Amino acid sequence: DTEVTQTPKHLVMGMTNKKSLKCEQHMGHRAMYWYKQKAKKPPELMFVYSYEKLSINESVPSRFSPECPNSSLLNLHLHALQPEDSALYLCASSHQGYSNQPQHFGDGTRLSIL
Amino acid sequence: DAKTTQPPSMDCAEGRAANLPCNHSTISGNEYVYWYRQIHSQGPQYIIHGLKNNETNEMASLIITEDRKSSTLILPHATLRDTAVYYCIVRVSLSGNTPLVFGKGTRLSVIA
Repeated sequence: DTEVTQTPKHLVMGMTNKKSLKCEQHMGHRAMYWYKQKAKKPPELMFVYSYEKLSINESVPSRFSPECPNSSLLNLHLHALQPEDSALYLCASSHQGYSNQPQHFGDGTRLSIL
Repeated sequence: DAKTTQPPSMDCAEGRAANLPCNHSTISGNEYVYWYRQIHSQGPQYIIHGLKNNETNEMASLIITEDRKSSTLILPHATLRDTAVYYCIVRVSLSGNTPLVFGKGTRLSVIA
């Protein structure tokens, strides 16, 4: 069982839809991450939040909009996605300010764009 | 880019030890070696990490060479549930939010 909860587990949406992915953790972690994983490829970093503020954006297209409303929640708002955006979206969290602390991942949201 | 090199695939008989190698010849003094695994349809799972000493926990052992240029993850008694992709990652740990850079990993198949 994972301590990082992602919802929904699966999402199918059209290119004109607006949807959101949700990530929640209650481990007191103040760093949270979004990764994208295409089929048969390793995860790739998208965003990093530190103390609820965006600290890293890996040149992600603006059709992906992250939000961290509080220290336990991380959202990824989706709008006007393309078929190539179909992937597994992974959320992770870790302690902030402590070295050597591992990241804990959720099981992801599998997104399909029609 | 990932700073590690791993074999793309390995097989291991059930009940035997699985030894997964990783090369990280350009590792810096402040970089740790982390191991994660990803079972099909799940998120990556943290296994173990270390700096220069060998480490052991309930899941695995990590053996790091003295020059730190390579390491081996050991699953002492592999089971079918250990079939997964195993990622060796070098990570600077100056702060707690350094992202992970995943390489291609090793696909371990445990065979009955």
